[in-house]
Amino acid sequence: QVQLQESGPGLVKPSQTLSLTCTVSGDSINNDDYYWNWIRQPPGKGLEWIGYIYYSGNTYHNPSLKSRVTISVDTSKNQFSLKLSSVTAADTAVYYCARYPGGIDAFDIWGLGTMVTVSS
Amino acid sequence: QSALTQPASVSGSPGQSITISCSGTSSDVGDNDYVSWYQQRPGEIFKLMIYDVSNRPSGVSNRFSGSKSGNTASLTISGLQAEDEADYYCSSYTSSPTRWVFGTGTKVTVL
Repeated sequence: QVQLQESGPGLVKPSQTLSLTCTVSGDSINNDDYYWNWIRQPPGKGLEWIGYIYYSGNTYHNPSLKSRVTISVDTSKNQFSLKLSSVTAADTAVYYCARYPGGIDAFDIWGLGTMVTVSS
Repeated sequence: QSALTQPASVSGSPGQSITISCSGTSSDVGDNDYVSWYQQRPGEIFKLMIYDVSNRPSGVSNRFSGSKSGNTASLTISGLQAEDEADYYCSSYTSSPTRWVFGTGTKVTVL
């Protein structure tokens, strides 16, 4: 059974960098069938797709976040990570990692999510 | 890229059928057959219920069905059960650089 789990600080100061990690268990992140995604949900608002990474390291992110997003993968630890720089209160959200299988257009496995608050 | 529009809440009695709409544009819902639906019960992970407009993943009850007409997709839950009480979100691939957009979410209440 494949599981994803997000981890990282729950509080980040404005202008600093938010860093989160998603640990994949039950499957290898090296599997070329999947893309590994980050999605977020600000309090009381809808979901926003942030970006994805392929096991090879290829990435793509939502251009609305401009160049603040960095997504990386550590295949030795079966993890992928998100860094979001220059954060503001608008980046306060529950951050989810999710798997996109590619053969279907959907996110088939999600993590439980982790709440990140941007505040001084 | 704006979010897809869903009703904030839908309710029904056990055994009834309900339908949740997901309204988009010609750049997302109306542009392709890549609409998916997710269920989120409190404290649980998002569960994929429908993919590619009308396909059910293995293990999802056939009481859940999806469809699309023009720029609007729909999720129908037939034979409503107490366990269906949850938040439901739609999502669509979009031809814009945003790649995927999500719905605003619908809270389903079983009366």
